[in-house]
Amino acid sequence: GEDVEQSLFLSVREGDSSVINCTYTDSSSTYLYWYKQEPGAGLQLLTYIFSNMDMKQDQRLTVLLNKKDKHLSLRIADTQTGDSAIYFCAESTPGNTPLVFGKGTRLSVIA
Amino acid sequence: GAGVSQSPRYKVTKRGQDVALRCDPISGHVSLYWYRQALGQGPEFLTYFNYEAQQDKSGLPNDRFSAERPEGSISTLTIQRTEQRDSAMYRCASSKGTNNQPQHFGDGTRLSIL
Repeated sequence: GEDVEQSLFLSVREGDSSVINCTYTDSSSTYLYWYKQEPGAGLQLLTYIFSNMDMKQDQRLTVLLNKKDKHLSLRIADTQTGDSAIYFCAESTPGNTPLVFGKGTRLSVIA
Repeated sequence: GAGVSQSPRYKVTKRGQDVALRCDPISGHVSLYWYRQALGQGPEFLTYFNYEAQQDKSGLPNDRFSAERPEGSISTLTIQRTEQRDSAMYRCASSKGTNNQPQHFGDGTRLSIL
């Protein structure tokens, strides 16, 4: 079945880069997503990448996709305290199918 | 409104009561999804709709759970005879419904069963 795995915790110093990793098992995945969850808030879509791409950059965010290894990463440059949150990786298969989420990575930014 | 709206934000009820959770999607969004998120976990799929048609309800845990979207806009997730294990955050998302357009989430309903 489909499975998405993430490490649970990451701690970085303010100003450093953060790299959050994700692996998935479904080879038919077409889109891969990163969502951010802050306390008491909903899930905010950060960015997404189509499976025929290997990189996408959006301001401080860089997404890398290794489709052969089914590995996805999110790099946050110049990490700020406001980036402290839980980051979820999610994947979908062709069509408007439901997302399959990982358990989330809690990013703590130390000032 | 501009985003997905869910109500109520918080619901506390006694075991055995029925609850109805409401989701108002982004205007014009065809697809609507319900997820449930336990503490320390990612959201897990419950059911979804394209327009008013329920496309997949395989994620509903049992027959106490049901959902409808009668006019293809607002959706209601109903849980009958609630149990403590139903306590969770219930999240709704909507999307344009074409070419894997991303899903946008509401703030969720926190359900607590006493």
